[in-house]
Amino acid sequence: DAGVIQSPRHEVTEMGQEVTLRCKPISGHNSLFWYRQTMMRGLELLIYFNNNVPIDDSGMPEDRFSAKMPNASFSTLKIQPSEPRDSAVYFCASSLGGAGGYTFGSGTRLTVV
Amino acid sequence: GESVGLHLPTLSVQEGDNSIINCAYSNSASDYFIWYKQESGKGPQFIIDIRSNMDKRQGQRVTVLLNKTVKHLSLQIAATQPGDSAVYFCAENYGTGNQFYFGTGTSLTVIP
Repeated sequence: DAGVIQSPRHEVTEMGQEVTLRCKPISGHNSLFWYRQTMMRGLELLIYFNNNVPIDDSGMPEDRFSAKMPNASFSTLKIQPSEPRDSAVYFCASSLGGAGGYTFGSGTRLTVV
Repeated sequence: GESVGLHLPTLSVQEGDNSIINCAYSNSASDYFIWYKQESGKGPQFIIDIRSNMDKRQGQRVTVLLNKTVKHLSLQIAATQPGDSAVYFCAENYGTGNQFYFGTGTSLTVIP
């Protein structure tokens, strides 16, 4: 299994541009999570899905952020318009629920200039 | 003005010594805990877990201790190796879903 796959690995964009981060969870996993990691706030849970349905998006910072999971093998996190304070590493993780926790992807390092 | 980041606790140990990393969790209702290891440039990686009906669990070279009375977790690493150098996070699960909330992490440096 290739694990959780995120793309791109790095993204540099100008303030005001739309950014889309992508995630392919592990096949068979039914839960998917988006986290953001910064020095200021550590690892923050943004949103998670169960069986492709958003369950809790209370961690999404504001309306500029949106996430979708159109099917069991793909999810996107979109920021529109992006701002410099959105610069962070964004992680996607998936799990089968129950014991064992998550499997994380390698993350997308986003820099908004 | 100067930005203030998280104060990341640090721990330096000699290779071969035992390491103890501590974590205070936030929610007394948390019933499942996981320790993760994050190496530079990578995502967090599962190390060991423990449920609230236990106070100790052992894995290969690692032991997790849980003290629910004071909401405290610890991770013990035996015979620490250079490859153990990383940031270690505890994560807690509470509520009806399987989402986890992460602590601020501890940076472990192993001195050869």
